[in-house]
Amino acid sequence: EDQVTQSPEALRLQEGESSSLNCSYTVSGLRGLFWYRQDPGKGPEFLFTLYSAGEEKEKERLKATLTKKESFLHITAPKPEDSATYLCAVQPIYNQGGKLIFGQGTELSVKP
Amino acid sequence: ETGVTQTPRHLVMGMTNKKSLKCEQHLGHNAMYWYKQSAKKPLELMFVYNFKEQTENNSVPSRFSPECPNSSHLFLHLHTLQPEDSALYLCASSPSGRYNEQFFGPGTRLTVL
Repeated sequence: EDQVTQSPEALRLQEGESSSLNCSYTVSGLRGLFWYRQDPGKGPEFLFTLYSAGEEKEKERLKATLTKKESFLHITAPKPEDSATYLCAVQPIYNQGGKLIFGQGTELSVKP
Repeated sequence: ETGVTQTPRHLVMGMTNKKSLKCEQHLGHNAMYWYKQSAKKPLELMFVYNFKEQTENNSVPSRFSPECPNSSHLFLHLHTLQPEDSALYLCASSPSGRYNEQFFGPGTRLTVL
C-alpha cells in the first residue's frame, strides 16, 4: 500500500537553530515528490517538486533532497516567519489522474 | 482575482440542509481537485477532474456531489451531511493530471450541526 510518513509530528526551534524534517515514503514507482507549506486557516502553498533520487532544490532558507526511500526538508537558520505546517506528498507513477498521497505534516514552530 | 479562489470561506449547516461550495481557478489549468482536511489527518483526495471529465472518485459518499462545468470552475454540492463531515474543504488545480504541481485555494471551513 502506498504510504507517506512524516517526522517529527511537531518541531520547536529557536531562531537560527537549523534542523531537518523527514518524509519517508513507500510507493510502487515514484513520479514526483512534493513539499508544501500550510499556514493556519489557509490552503497549502507549493514549495518544491523532486523527481529522482539525488535531486536537490533550494528556496531561501529551505533545501529539499530526495533519496529512493525518503526526502528531507532542511531549514537553515530559521526565522519565526518559517513557522507553519510542512506537508509532503507523493504521486505514484502508475496514476495518470493526478492523485497525490499526503503525509500528516510536521508542525514547525520557530521562537525568537 | 489571481490563483485559486473558494467561496464561501466559512459555512455552518444543519444535517438536512443543501449547500454548495464553489472553486474558481485563474491559472489556465486543466485539472481540478477537491480535498478534505480534518484535524491531525492527512489531506484526503475526494475528486479529480481533467478537462471537465471526472477521473477519480476516492470512494466518497454520495452526499457529496461534484460538478465541473468548465476547466475553470468546480463545485461541491452538499446534502444531508453528518457532523463528522465537518472539516476544511480545499480546492486545487494543476496544469494537467499527469504532471502534478497542484495549487490550492484558501479552503472552506465547514461545520455540520
